[in-house]
Amino acid sequence: AQSVTQLGSHVSVSEGALVLLRCNYSSSVPPYLFWYVQYPNQGLQLLLKYTSAATLVKGINGFEAEFKKSETSFHLTKPSAHMSDAAEYFCAVSEETGNQFYFGTGTSLTVIP
Amino acid sequence: EAGVTQSPTHLIKTRGQQATLRCSPISGHTSVYWYQQALGLGLQFLLWYDEGEERNRGNFPPRFSGRQFPNYSSELNVNALELEDSALYLCASSEGQGDGQPQHFGDGTRLSIL
Repeated sequence: AQSVTQLGSHVSVSEGALVLLRCNYSSSVPPYLFWYVQYPNQGLQLLLKYTSAATLVKGINGFEAEFKKSETSFHLTKPSAHMSDAAEYFCAVSEETGNQFYFGTGTSLTVIP
Repeated sequence: EAGVTQSPTHLIKTRGQQATLRCSPISGHTSVYWYQQALGLGLQFLLWYDEGEERNRGNFPPRFSGRQFPNYSSELNVNALELEDSALYLCASSEGQGDGQPQHFGDGTRLSIL
């Protein structure tokens, strides 16, 4: 089975600063990778997904993520944090076939004004 | 396009009671997934249904059960409720078992056990 590790359960950045949320997966075969965002009292919203087309994936709200096979990583970045980015972020991986998802434990992002 | 809808939004029960949570997937989606999100524990996978069949089950006791109806909507039943069952229960749907299909989530049912 897959596993996903999100380093840092809490990340704080200043408004306007770079956002970097880390995600590593365990697989020898490139899987499908996703980032989701969860605002308080809401479900998860898809930010972006990697499905082997391009290693740099652009998502909504100015976020992007780079797939690095050699590092088994899929870190999420945003050049300039906005107050509205404060939320919980989840990295997820699904296997090559089927659609079983494995979620990381989440990273809570705080944006300091 | 209507998203995944869950009902009720909130549910309050007492220990030992039974709870039924409902989920309607996005039109055209045949797979439904259930997750439990307890405070501080992240997303825990509960159940996966596709085309009316249970495809996989997470590490939860048998008192957590569910089903998927012919119209692909789904129901999660929790029997003999315990205090630790208090959580946000999230339903997601996807376009069947197609590779790389994202899961789309509803806003959840907040279950509180008194």
